[in-house]
Amino acid sequence: GENVEQHPSTLSVQEGDSAVIKCTYSDSASNYFPWYKQELGKGPQLIIDIRSNVGEKKDQRIAVTLNKTAKHFSLHITETQPEDSAVYFCAASTSSASKIIFGSGTRLSIRP
Amino acid sequence: DTAVSQTPKYLVTQMGNDKSIKCEQNLGHDTMYWYKQDSKKFLKIMFSYNNKELIINETVPNRFSPKSPDKAHLNLHINSLELGDSAVYFCASSQVTGTGILVDTEAFFGQGTRLTVV
Repeated sequence: GENVEQHPSTLSVQEGDSAVIKCTYSDSASNYFPWYKQELGKGPQLIIDIRSNVGEKKDQRIAVTLNKTAKHFSLHITETQPEDSAVYFCAASTSSASKIIFGSGTRLSIRP
Repeated sequence: DTAVSQTPKYLVTQMGNDKSIKCEQNLGHDTMYWYKQDSKKFLKIMFSYNNKELIINETVPNRFSPKSPDKAHLNLHINSLELGDSAVYFCASSQVTGTGILVDTEAFFGQGTRLTVV
């Protein structure tokens, strides 16, 4: 079945620096790749997503890239701020949306 | 105006008991899910329903029985609770928009139910 691997599991960066989280997926039928942010005591919340027909997407300080050939996708956060501290999950799903498979999560800490 | 609401938020119970978690979404979505998040934060899908019909059962023990009375509700009943069932359970819903490769499947999550079995 579909498997999504995510690295690193923890990431600590200085405030103002960039953070990069990488994921790989196994099911070539996957065509939708969302990223979720989970703050303490809350449910995951979508922050950005990318479809398989797009190689890159940007929304202010957040960008995602997708390499379909290599089955890699990445999250880039620039000019990090304290409120970016959270657990981030990548995910993959197919057109049927019968299941959304999540990566194992990255705990991002921003050092002041 | 909570999009996906689940109750209760916290549930502490003894081994062997039976308990239920309720979930409701007011987004008009066709698909609902239950996910289990363990202590290491790993989110694992348990069930997926589309228009009240079970689509996915990810080898979850029979002690877990989801029920969807209508497409806005997906409740989770757990029999004979075990220590290993302790986790945070998330309900979510989504609506597929677009077709083929032009698909969006944004899932909205509830706030979670922290189940502790003692």
